[in-house]
Amino acid sequence: QQQVKQSPQSLIVQKGGISIINCAYENTAFDYFPWYQQFPGKGPALLIAIRPDVSEKKEGRFTISFNKSAKQFSLHIMDSQPGDSATYFCAATYNTDKLIFGTGTRLQVFP
Amino acid sequence: GAGVSQSPSNKVTEKGKDVELRCDPISGHTALYWYRQSLGQGLEFLIYFQGNSAPDKSGLPSDRFSAERTGGSVSTLTIQRTQQEDSAVYLCASSFDRLRTDTQYFGPGTRLTVL
Repeated sequence: QQQVKQSPQSLIVQKGGISIINCAYENTAFDYFPWYQQFPGKGPALLIAIRPDVSEKKEGRFTISFNKSAKQFSLHIMDSQPGDSATYFCAATYNTDKLIFGTGTRLQVFP
Repeated sequence: GAGVSQSPSNKVTEKGKDVELRCDPISGHTALYWYRQSLGQGLEFLIYFQGNSAPDKSGLPSDRFSAERTGGSVSTLTIQRTQQEDSAVYLCASSFDRLRTDTQYFGPGTRLTVL
């Protein structure tokens, strides 16, 4: 029940395309869902986050879509760029302080 | 104005030895977290500090793992009698407060290799 399942494990997209990464959870108590971006040799960095009272949040080229009934949320990267090539982690938390992370998606954007 | 720093950046040790990993959080951040990142396991929570106390140690994998935080700042994660399965990147994060919506800022990690 504490798990967050993430897919795909890896993703190859052409420059200008849309990258979509999906996550699913079981624990309905989760109430905060951040996405982290990690470059090689660096720690993860917060990219965008959402609460379940909204169905979508957009920041620049990054959008989170949230489906509360299906217990799923996804990250969409529009107009993907080579600089977006990184590993992306979804996460979830509730009335605790620790983040429960998905297993990560390695995104490669080719020119 | 530096971010979270960790030392050493890399540590190679022999099985059975003890290691200490250090984390310097962002100045003024009261909450500090340790996570472990290993291949195939993703990011796992280890322990959380609020000030100098650790209200949540639920992620520590065994009693060989311990952590402390002094002066509400620097934290040390100690692994005793290291095993090969302890090989991973150990990440530290800090946030201004314990609120779950507060951004956790991560350090670059310490890559631990146990031979």
